Amino acid sequence: LAKTTQPISMDSYEGQEVNITCSHNNIATNDYITWYQQFPSQGPRFIIQGYKTKVTNEVASLFIPADRKSSTLSLPRVSLSDTAVYYCLVGDRTGGFKTIFGAGTRLFVKA
Amino acid sequence: NAGVTQTPKFRVLKTGQSMTLLCAQDMNHEYMYWYRQDPGMGLRLIHYSVGEGTTAKGEVPDGYNVSRLKKQNFLLGLESAAPSQTSVYFCASSYDGVTVHNEQFFGPGTRLTVL
Repeated sequence: LAKTTQPISMDSYEGQEVNITCSHNNIATNDYITWYQQFPSQGPRFIIQGYKTKVTNEVASLFIPADRKSSTLSLPRVSLSDTAVYYCLVGDRTGGFKTIFGAGTRLFVKA
Repeated sequence: NAGVTQTPKFRVLKTGQSMTLLCAQDMNHEYMYWYRQDPGMGLRLIHYSVGEGTTAKGEVPDGYNVSRLKKQNFLLGLESAAPSQTSVYFCASSYDGVTVHNEQFFGPGTRLTVL
């Protein structure tokens, strides 16, 4: 399983765009990149998934360069409720995308 | 739909006691997982199942056993609890291992304390 590296924590202010970068140098050809969000005392929640280039949904955008060795989760105009831990995962379809979560990035959004 | 539910929500055990955590999903998902999360840490996969009657070891399987007798249920057992197993346990499920965008749906967690 490919290992990922993310910043431990980030601070932002309401209304700003937040970009969280994840490094995954050993990503394999069949691997997808998935991001989850976790609020305190809750289980993680799926945010977005991609394989290459750019993916956008109603919550976030995911930017993946051509070499796929990193990816950036972009949260537009964050609010206080976006304060959470964000996990970057890399894995293939084997075992239902069985992957290693890691410590994640703690995002603090301030007023 | 209830999604993924976990029973119990909280439990306190003494060292050496046994217990079973129950996970149930009503989404007809093939895959189910058990994770543990220690304070300030990410989730670590204990065991998982790719279908009824099957189980497989994850990252930290020692001290735990699992069973998937019914598709909708995934049980996690602790035969002889130890203080090191104090943690929050999350169950998750996903549709299958083929569909792209195969997100995992998580339960609310079980907070276990072993004294």
